Amino acid sequence: EPEVTQTPSHQVTQMGQEVILRCVPISNHLYFYWYRQILGQKVEFLVSFYNNEISEKSEIFDDQFSVERPDGSNFTLKIRSTKLEDSAMYFCASTWTPGGNTIYFGEGSWLTVV
Amino acid sequence: RKEVEQDPGPFNVPEGATVAFNCTYSNSASQSFFWYRQDCRKEPKLLMSVYSSGNEDGRFTAQLNRASQYISLLIRDSKLSDSATYLCVVNKGSYGKLTFGQGTILTVHP
Repeated sequence: EPEVTQTPSHQVTQMGQEVILRCVPISNHLYFYWYRQILGQKVEFLVSFYNNEISEKSEIFDDQFSVERPDGSNFTLKIRSTKLEDSAMYFCASTWTPGGNTIYFGEGSWLTVV
Repeated sequence: RKEVEQDPGPFNVPEGATVAFNCTYSNSASQSFFWYRQDCRKEPKLLMSVYSSGNEDGRFTAQLNRASQYISLLIRDSKLSDSATYLCVVNKGSYGKLTFGQGTILTVHP
């Protein structure tokens, strides 16, 4: 079965540092997403991306966050200046079309900010 | 009111038991509905979509009541491998933004 792959699986970074989380969505998918899950809390939507632009973003996705699809295969989430509260599991997801089709999640990147 | 609300449990049931989870959602414009399963520190995985007519997949039955904005999941003949967190998920359409409930923890014991 095709899958969404994410790297790194775990990253520890110092507060204030920039972090880039990488994702390779399923190859024929057109819609891409980042979600996060703080330990013990629910999965939260961050941003959706379609046709090379952000289509929707949540209140969490402030100016310190950005997304990019630099080469037609990778989909990245950048956190410019990490804070302790950014520590979470970040999930990338993709789908062919969102109307009722399955949205597939990657295994996640666990970010620890110290 | 939370957008998607679930009883967090935990539910502890013996193998072979039948267990039911409930979920309510607040946005009447929601268009599609799902149950996902999440194992500890893993990604959410789609268990099944939920339709107004109700749908069944083996031991799992899901129901949707749009008038009451209520979704349910029934698991029959529970297996040890069913132990996980069950996430009620709602899609308001547009670009596929999923809204998750906090999850219901199920533990099936021998």
